[in-house]
Amino acid sequence: DIQMTQSPSSLSASVGDRVTITCRASQSISTYLHWYQQKPGKAPKLLIYSASSLQSGVPSRFSGSGSGTDFTLTISSLQPEDFATYYCQQSYSTPYIFGQGTKLEIK
Amino acid sequence: QVQLQESGPGLMKPSQTLSLTCTVSGDSISSGSYYWSWIRQPAGKGLEWIGRIYTRGATNFNPSLKSRVTISVDTSKNQLSLKLSSVTAADSAVYYCARCDYYDSSGLDVWGQGTTVTVSS
Repeated sequence: DIQMTQSPSSLSASVGDRVTITCRASQSISTYLHWYQQKPGKAPKLLIYSASSLQSGVPSRFSGSGSGTDFTLTISSLQPEDFATYYCQQSYSTPYIFGQGTKLEIK
Repeated sequence: QVQLQESGPGLMKPSQTLSLTCTVSGDSISSGSYYWSWIRQPAGKGLEWIGRIYTRGATNFNPSLKSRVTISVDTSKNQLSLKLSSVTAADSAVYYCARCDYYDSSGLDVWGQGTTVTVSS
């Protein structure tokens, strides 16, 4: 199985900050990497697909980059509604594997 | 707009077989080329992919659960189903169904709201 290592596991930041979350795959996955946001009690929401494509309706302050094994999710200017848990997920091969999550908290 | 809605028993006893249904609305489950997945999330923990089924029947499973999982599609009811046998407390989780495109390139773009399953004697 392909393993996904996400970092950091938690992060404290302020409204307006620029934040970066990283995800590393145990082998090359090309750009079969997706990012999700999950708020308490809710289903995950797709933010970025294929490493860098913004899902329809997602604010442009979210962006993704990377290919191969190393990927990043960047939020350019944090808004109050962005405080949530973020997951990466590979779809290069089954089983799909999610990163362990990054909990983004208000400083 | 496609919407997914999971339903299930809520509370179960150990050793029973879990049966969940995901009802698709807003489009036919057999239109387009999609995989339909089941994912679960134990309370306070991360996401675990269980398995998927292609609209035309092919399946893939997480090896960690493969021996206990069955996934099927009922096109007449526009539903997909999950069966998980011999459940234990470790199977307690929120269970989600979700959709992704056949080429695995678009991510899991549509999710149900999830259904909570608790296994307890």
